[in-house]
Amino acid sequence: QSALTQPASVSGSPGQSITISCTGSSSDVGGYIYVSWYQQHPGKAPKLMIFEVSNRPSGVSNRFSGSKSGNTASLTISGLQAEDEADYYCSSYRSSSTLVFGTGTKVTVL
Amino acid sequence: QVQLVQSGAEVKKPGASVKVSCKASGYNFNVYYMHWVRQAPGQGLEWMGRINPNGGGTNYAQKFQGRVTMTRDTSITTAYMELSRLTSDDTAVYYCARAFDSSGWCWFDPWGQGTLVTVSS
Repeated sequence: QSALTQPASVSGSPGQSITISCTGSSSDVGGYIYVSWYQQHPGKAPKLMIFEVSNRPSGVSNRFSGSKSGNTASLTISGLQAEDEADYYCSSYRSSSTLVFGTGTKVTVL
Repeated sequence: QVQLVQSGAEVKKPGASVKVSCKASGYNFNVYYMHWVRQAPGQGLEWMGRINPNGGGTNYAQKFQGRVTMTRDTSITTAYMELSRLTSDDTAVYYCARAFDSSGWCWFDPWGQGTLVTVSS
């Protein structure tokens, strides 16, 4: 069961925007709206940031946005802040009633 | 408030089984799927499977088929994940997470605090 592909690391300066990609196939990311993004700080449980490709739960900053084009989903963080430094994971439903996570991306605020 | 509280850390020997619990509170337990996700030290998230508390139906990741059993006790709003034939590769933090959307595949919120399972001889 292969994971979705994410860049290992992305960095940016405070105030900048960064984008994290999540590449799958037509059997997962490209075929369904059930794409989510999670933020995880060291030693903590993951936190939901985006669900169903582009929806933000209440309480999540509007600096976080999601989108999808073909088999690739993306998470954009605008106005980067120090507190955004964390690991980020995408997830997607995959056909045949399974779910798959991305490989994870470490975001560094320079 | 909506909360998932997991059982405490476990140390097991290779070949043994472990059963982790996840106590839910603050919402209607029967309505939302519960998922189990694990994270080995320094590694990424890995989906293990899910259970529908309403009826007990399950979906398991192929990797864990035959080795994992997910159950629930609706009377005490608790979900369980049991993993058998443990090896050192099963050393990880195990999380439960509620799927808050109608499909049961998305919107994992909240998550439990995690349970560290260490497999060592």
